[in-house]
Amino acid sequence: AQRVTQPEKLLSVFKGAPVELKCNYSYSGSPELFWYVQYSRQRLQLLLRHISRESIKGFTADLNKGETSFHLKKPFAQEEDSAMYYCVISGAGSYQLTFGKGTKLSVIP
Amino acid sequence: GAGVSQSPSNKVTEKGKDVELRCDPISGHTALYWYRQSLGQGLEFLIYFQGNSAPDKSGLPSDRFSAERTGGSVSTLTIQRTQQEDSAVYLCASSLDSVNQPQHFGDGTRLSIL
Repeated sequence: AQRVTQPEKLLSVFKGAPVELKCNYSYSGSPELFWYVQYSRQRLQLLLRHISRESIKGFTADLNKGETSFHLKKPFAQEEDSAMYYCVISGAGSYQLTFGKGTKLSVIP
Repeated sequence: GAGVSQSPSNKVTEKGKDVELRCDPISGHTALYWYRQSLGQGLEFLIYFQGNSAPDKSGLPSDRFSAERTGGSVSTLTIQRTQQEDSAVYLCASSLDSVNQPQHFGDGTRLSIL
């Protein structure tokens, strides 16, 4: 069974400080990994996916298969980054998404 | 509409009543998903529809839960004989295809069972 762990329910950082949202997963095969984000009063939406290897809104995430981690990082946090972030896993070729419980990021001005 | 539409946005009902939640996916999206988010929890997969294939109902928590998708478009999630533990936000998502495609979410229906 696949499982996603986000150890921090709440993370507070000051504006301009680096951010790292932790995510560890459990899956026996080769997973697809995503970060979804929900800003205040907005819908849940895809932020980035590891196969795209892209940077969205300054965020990046590297898949570390040895540590089974997919941490989300940004070098300089902005106030508009305050949101709920979900790490999500899907088995290769699968449609089912398994969500972590989420980390609420609060960026302090 | 440009996005996934869900109705009602809020539903309050008494324990034991039946409820129907509606989802209108993005036009052209063949895959449709229902999730449940209970307080303090991540999203829990409920059911998945893809085209004319038989739905994957493996996430439905009990036989009180059922869902239909008519004409490959609008979907209805029905909860019979509601219980207090059914209180949650029910989210619908759709995608162009099913395999590893970004899912587009609606605003959800907040269901409260008294």
